[in-house]
Amino acid sequence: NAGVTQTPKFQVLKTGQSMTLQCAQDMNHEYMSWYRQDPGMGLRLIHYSVGAGITDQGEVPNGYNVSRSTTEDFPLRLLSAAPSQTSVYFCASRDTGGNQPQHFGDGTRLSIL
Amino acid sequence: QQQVKQSPQSLIVQKGGISIINCAYENTAFDYFPWYQQFPGKGPALLIAIRPDVSEKKEGRFTISFNKSAKQFSLHIMDSQPGDSATYFCAVGGGGTSYGKLTFGQGTILTVHP
Repeated sequence: NAGVTQTPKFQVLKTGQSMTLQCAQDMNHEYMSWYRQDPGMGLRLIHYSVGAGITDQGEVPNGYNVSRSTTEDFPLRLLSAAPSQTSVYFCASRDTGGNQPQHFGDGTRLSIL
Repeated sequence: QQQVKQSPQSLIVQKGGISIINCAYENTAFDYFPWYQQFPGKGPALLIAIRPDVSEKKEGRFTISFNKSAKQFSLHIMDSQPGDSATYFCAVGGGGTSYGKLTFGQGTILTVHP
């Protein structure tokens, strides 16, 4: 039982490049989320999904796309990377029903030059 | 808008001391108040959580105190240990914001000196 797995762990991009951050969970959780973590700002919600085929925007969605074709996977796409997107990105999943705990991956550290 | 304000930003405590981290929120509709602990290079992990129908919850050395009227809650770490050195985040959720949406505080970096 690996939990939430994020790849890659580190990535450096040039401004304007695109890439996809991968997230997979093996706990059969319906709910999945993407957060970004910046110093002094905590974790901010980018996009979330309540099940396969259903996604919605969080607090800071601009510049990011998501899709949810399976329960297990929830990739995050940067369409045209900007230096302001330099951050640590965390994927999380949780079970349905009440206030279940979020299970986080170990993050992807992304630098945009 | 900043729905959750966490303080202090950083905290240094001696081994055996008490660490106290505070959070204040604005929306009275929230009904779930967790604390997450994060070690360097790792994702946050749930430490302890409370619902607004109780004023205190204790799990081992960790206690949440909740003041509904003041819209504040705090994390107390008793007998702090060097292994407690980490970043702590408060969060608020529930209150109709389903789908696992949490709003996090800014984080507190705790350092416990041996």
